[in-house]
Amino acid sequence: GAVVSQHPSWVICKSGTSVKIECRSLDFQATTMFWYRQFPKQSLMLMATSNEGSKATYEQGVEKDKFLINHASLTLSTLTVTSAHPEDSSFYICSAFIPARRKETQYFGPGTRLLVL
Amino acid sequence: AQTVTQSQPEMSVQEAETVTLSCTYDTSESNYYLFWYKQPPSRQMILVIRQEAYKQQNATENRFSVNFQKAAKSFSLKISDSQLGDTAMYFCAFMKPGTASKLTFGTGTRLQVTL
Repeated sequence: GAVVSQHPSWVICKSGTSVKIECRSLDFQATTMFWYRQFPKQSLMLMATSNEGSKATYEQGVEKDKFLINHASLTLSTLTVTSAHPEDSSFYICSAFIPARRKETQYFGPGTRLLVL
Repeated sequence: AQTVTQSQPEMSVQEAETVTLSCTYDTSESNYYLFWYKQPPSRQMILVIRQEAYKQQNATENRFSVNFQKAAKSFSLKISDSQLGDTAMYFCAFMKPGTASKLTFGTGTRLQVTL
């Protein structure tokens, strides 16, 4: 399967600071990437769809000014949690979409654990 | 909108035995994809198996196979010869074809493989 990396794998920050998480597709070009959030023992919650060269599409209830997404190239999307607060502590996962005809699939990064103190 | 239901929050199976995880979904689409993803304690989401709705043949990947019943909107996962490394959360997911297609996940089934 395709390889997707995320960096950092975990981060601890103080309340009020901003944190940037990178998602890279290592062996293919991804025009579309997705950002998810996962709480303990729960399923994945889609936050936004990241499209290369255009603005991200956010799911209902997700603050676009708080969770800034930039898809600057075909292999890199970033999620910036601005002015982080303890309630933003969570596990964030990205995925990259392979659009090949009849082979459409999402491959996931290893996730980033964020703890806001 | 699509919905995916996994009615078994937890399952347990002994090593070397076979276990089946259930998944049902609801959609008005005629063409779509179905997936099973595995999330072990490391929390890395791993693609286990993929099924295209237009294919009647059930997908298989080594010890993993599915029973896809399109009319019943059922998509169960069978794990044969269970191994300790199969211990994980298993998520069933639905996706429409096309660009920027979102995955709709079920709530997951926690599988424990015991000695």
